Amino acid sequence: EVQLVESGGDLIQPGGSLRLSCAASGFTVTTNYMAWVRQAPGKGLKWVSTLYSGGNTYYADSVKGRFTISRDNSKNTLYLQMNSLRAEDTAVYFCARARTGTTGMYHDYWGRGTLVTVSS
Amino acid sequence: QSVLTQPPSVSGAPGQGVTISCTGSSSNIGTGYDVHWYQQLPGTAPKLLVYGNYNRPSGVPDRFSGSKSGTSASLAITGLQAEDEADYYCQSYDISLSAWVFGGGTKMTVL
Repeated sequence: EVQLVESGGDLIQPGGSLRLSCAASGFTVTTNYMAWVRQAPGKGLKWVSTLYSGGNTYYADSVKGRFTISRDNSKNTLYLQMNSLRAEDTAVYFCARARTGTTGMYHDYWGRGTLVTVSS
Repeated sequence: QSVLTQPPSVSGAPGQGVTISCTGSSSNIGTGYDVHWYQQLPGTAPKLLVYGNYNRPSGVPDRFSGSKSGTSASLAITGLQAEDEADYYCQSYDISLSAWVFGGGTKMTVL
């Protein structure tokens, strides 16, 4: 059974750093595309970052240069290192497995999310 | 504002049907990128409902169906049930933004 469990969310001051983790089971992170999607309180879904199985990384403009997506093969875990956090980064962060179709990528399994609150 | 435009809300009585639209542009849906749909029940994670414009994952009832034409896509829900009350999101890829994009979401209410 595929499962994704996020952790690491916290209350953090503006300018601070945080690392989110997403522990996967039922499949191998290394051989799959993985993504982070966030949802601000009361708002819709926003794509944050994607890590291809080959290692290529992609970021939304709003987080480029501040966030880094990575994985640990031995722990079968996906990470999101978040630096220079801003109030507008406040959101629930979901980890998701991504699959590619003929012309597009979709997210077939999602974790329950972890809450990041950026506030002084 | 989202790159993909959805109505903020739709509603229908039990047993009836509703359609949720997702309007894009020539830089996303109109370019040929697939549209995918997600259902998010209150307080839970999104769940994949339709992928590749019209395909349903195993376990998703055939009351849910997707379609795509030109720069738009639609999600149709027939035989509405109380448990269908949720937020629904469309998703595609935008070549101009080089980003995966979601619609703003549609809150579906069963009257």
